[in-house]
Amino acid sequence: DAKTTQPNSMESNEEEPVHLPCNHSTISGTDYIHWYRQLPSQGPEYVIHGLTSNVNNRMASLAIAEDRKSSTLILHRATLRDAAVYYCILRDVGDDKIIFGKGTRLHILP
Amino acid sequence: DSGVTQTPKHLITATGQRVTLRCSPRSGDLSVYWYQQSLDQGLQFLIQYYNGEERAKGNILERFSAQQFPDLHSELNLSSLELGDSALYFCASSVVPGATGELFFGEGSRLTVL
Repeated sequence: DAKTTQPNSMESNEEEPVHLPCNHSTISGTDYIHWYRQLPSQGPEYVIHGLTSNVNNRMASLAIAEDRKSSTLILHRATLRDAAVYYCILRDVGDDKIIFGKGTRLHILP
Repeated sequence: DSGVTQTPKHLITATGQRVTLRCSPRSGDLSVYWYQQSLDQGLQFLIQYYNGEERAKGNILERFSAQQFPDLHSELNLSSLELGDSALYFCASSVVPGATGELFFGEGSRLTVL
């Protein structure tokens, strides 16, 4: 079973920031937090990952709570192309089962 | 383009039949993962291989089997097909297994069982 909890869906306006939350209260010290997204009719694609510190890349930022029990994926300026299902998953060192939950379906309003 | 190639893209077959789905990982990737995605179940992890060896098993039915060949491509065999096996089947690859590696997914093979 997925070890994360995400809202089923969220809505945001185009060109505004989006904060996608993820709860992982049972996270272990060796779990990495990964985010993937799945655009319509495509396979999932990697977005970002982190362990303890906040991370930034060209797609998004990942903010990790100090106790690591939650994290937030931040899209700084949403576009219509960001409409997708966003998955937050935990990956443990040595664990090759990568379990996806239901994710958050993000709707972007023009 | 993720670099992961899956064939066929679409497949329609009848109940009781057997099909084989093929996956070519990105050049240099040693690890292959298979997932099933149906409308009501989300992405379900089936099985993972690393350099030809099975490394992890998920909710894969006994009617399903997979293997990874010496050239690192992988095949997922589905037999005695049922209506409920209709789904998108995704393959993903990564350089090595592990907590920090990025997975690259193919575009999927859509299986319809009539």
